[in-house]
Amino acid sequence: QVQLQESGPGLVKPSETVSLTCTVSGGSITRDTFYWSWIRQPAGTGLEWIGRIYASGSTNYNPSLKSRVTISVDTSKNQLSLKLSSVTAADTAVYYCARMDYYYDGSGSRHYYFDYWGQGTLVTVSS
Amino acid sequence: SYELTQPPSVSVSPGQTASISCSGDQLGDKYTSWYQQKPGQSPILIIYDDARPSGIPERFSGSNSGNTATLTISGTQALDEADYYCQAWDSTTVVFGGGTKLTVL
Repeated sequence: QVQLQESGPGLVKPSETVSLTCTVSGGSITRDTFYWSWIRQPAGTGLEWIGRIYASGSTNYNPSLKSRVTISVDTSKNQLSLKLSSVTAADTAVYYCARMDYYYDGSGSRHYYFDYWGQGTLVTVSS
Repeated sequence: SYELTQPPSVSVSPGQTASISCSGDQLGDKYTSWYQQKPGQSPILIIYDDARPSGIPERFSGSNSGNTATLTISGTQALDEADYYCQAWDSTTVVFGGGTKLTVL
């Protein structure tokens, strides 16, 4: 059973960079064909996808956050990381990491979904 | 950017069928996944490719045609009260709907 566990500082000051880590257990980040994502959820609102990474280091980001986001992977620790720079109060949210699996449609295109999620870690941006 | 639209809330009586819609331009070509989220918990996958992951009850089903995807819950139970999110894959981007709060009353 795959398990994901996020960790982070909890409280970050405005304009700083927040760094979060997701530790994956029960499966290797490198062994299978999954992508790994970060998703966030401000209190009382919906889900927002931040970006994803493959074990090779290939990434895709949400265009609205791309200029401030870096996702990386440490295969030796079976971890993925998120760095979000120049944070403001609008970045206050629960941050989740999740595994992305996919299926093929009739035309051979991939469609991705999230089959395992971490419990989330709250990041509060405040001075 | 691509957008998915869900109704903010849906109400259903216990034992009845609940339908939650998710609309987007040519959504039928993009396929849709659905997630359930209860207060204080992480989302869980309940539908992908019109299929259910192991452990998800048969009363949950999904359909997708044209510009609308629909999550159907047959014989809704009180424990199904939760927020539901649709999700699609658009080129190289994940898109979530705004979420629908299902109330069972």
